[in-house]
Amino acid sequence: NAGVTQTPKFQVLKTGQSMTLQCAQDMNHEYMSWYRQDPGMGLRLIHYSVGAGITDQGEVPNGYNVSRSTTEDFPLRLLSAAPSQTSVYFCASSYSMYGDSPLHFGNGTRLTVT
Amino acid sequence: GDSVTQMEGPVTLSEEAFLTINCTYTATGYPSLFWYVQYPGEGLQLLLKATKADDKGSNKGFEATYRKETTSFHLEKGSVQVSDSAVYFCALRNQGGSEKLVFGKGTKLTVNP
Repeated sequence: NAGVTQTPKFQVLKTGQSMTLQCAQDMNHEYMSWYRQDPGMGLRLIHYSVGAGITDQGEVPNGYNVSRSTTEDFPLRLLSAAPSQTSVYFCASSYSMYGDSPLHFGNGTRLTVT
Repeated sequence: GDSVTQMEGPVTLSEEAFLTINCTYTATGYPSLFWYVQYPGEGLQLLLKATKADDKGSNKGFEATYRKETTSFHLEKGSVQVSDSAVYFCALRNQGGSEKLVFGKGTKLTVNP
């Protein structure tokens, strides 16, 4: 029972490089999301999806793209990395975006941009 | 907008001490309330939840009661263990549907033997 799987676990990029953070879930959840976690800032929503083919912006979407071609996968793309994107990134899913649906989190990707 | 305020940490306790981490919220409507725990190097795990007033969520010896009159959801444990050392997050999600959970800033708990 894998739950939410994120890869890679660690990544170092140079400013201006691009990369994709992978996220997959095996719980048939409709809702998926990406958060970033920064000291003193808590968790902030980057992008989310309520189903395959549907994505929308969260609080801090600039510099990131997402797509949702299947129910299982929700990759996050950094277009041109900046030091301000140094953070820990979490993918999370839930069976819906309503009420008592708890989020299930992956173990995170720690990204450093130099 | 919706918000969650939880006590600032860090909190340091001795093993077998009583734990309380305060959490209050502001929300339109009737949110569902959650406590998450994050162990070092890991993602957040759901610890417990409550979906309506006076509900008590419980798990692994932790408890929290949804108090609508005081808009609170304080986390308690009667006797903490070293293995409870982690960061604890209070969160809410609007019952009517919301794209996100609203999280508090987190409280780091260290339990010493």
